[in-house]
Amino acid sequence: GENVEQHPSTLSVQEGDSAVIKCTYSDSASNYFPWYKQELGKGPQLIIDIRSNVGEKKDQRIAVTLNKTAKHFSLHITETQPEDSAVYFCAASRIDSSASKIIFGSGTRLSIRP
Amino acid sequence: EAQVTQNPRYLITVTGKKLTVTCSQNMNHEYMSWYRQDPGLGLRQIYYSMNVEVTDKGDVPEGYKVSRKEKRNFPLILESPSPNQTSLYFCASSLFRQRAYEQYFGPGTRLTVT
Repeated sequence: GENVEQHPSTLSVQEGDSAVIKCTYSDSASNYFPWYKQELGKGPQLIIDIRSNVGEKKDQRIAVTLNKTAKHFSLHITETQPEDSAVYFCAASRIDSSASKIIFGSGTRLSIRP
Repeated sequence: EAQVTQNPRYLITVTGKKLTVTCSQNMNHEYMSWYRQDPGLGLRQIYYSMNVEVTDKGDVPEGYKVSRKEKRNFPLILESPSPNQTSLYFCASSLFRQRAYEQYFGPGTRLTVT
């Protein structure tokens, strides 16, 4: 069945350094890849996304890249700050399809060391 | 303020005692869904609803029921809870199913079944 694999499951980086989380998807029809941030005691929140017709997207300190051929996509956080500590989920979906369904990765717990 | 609310936030119960977790959204969204979050498994969809009186099974529906009598409410019912339903539950809503990637998540309900 369709699945999304996410690595690593935990990640600890020094404040100011960069963090990278990687995902691989199986459904070649997926064309939309959102990333969610889940802070302690809260539900996931959409932070950035990328569509299959784009290879990279940036929003301030976060960026996502997509390699459609390899079915890989990644989240990059630069100049990490304490407030970046959270669980991050990648997901894959078929946008604007009546059969659209979101498949989530298993999550990465990111810790920023002061 | 646009939001999804869930109650209760924490619940400890015993095997077999029926319970209901309520979910309400104030955004006039058509699409609502329930997820459970377990360590290493990410978010898995239990049930979803595309509109009033329209519900369907997600990936892990066994042991759960839902209803959608009003657009704003989507309660999750466990008729006879078992310990393997101990989990963190999230309700979510979006404008339409096709926009499920823009889901607003509730704060979560942590359920423990002993």
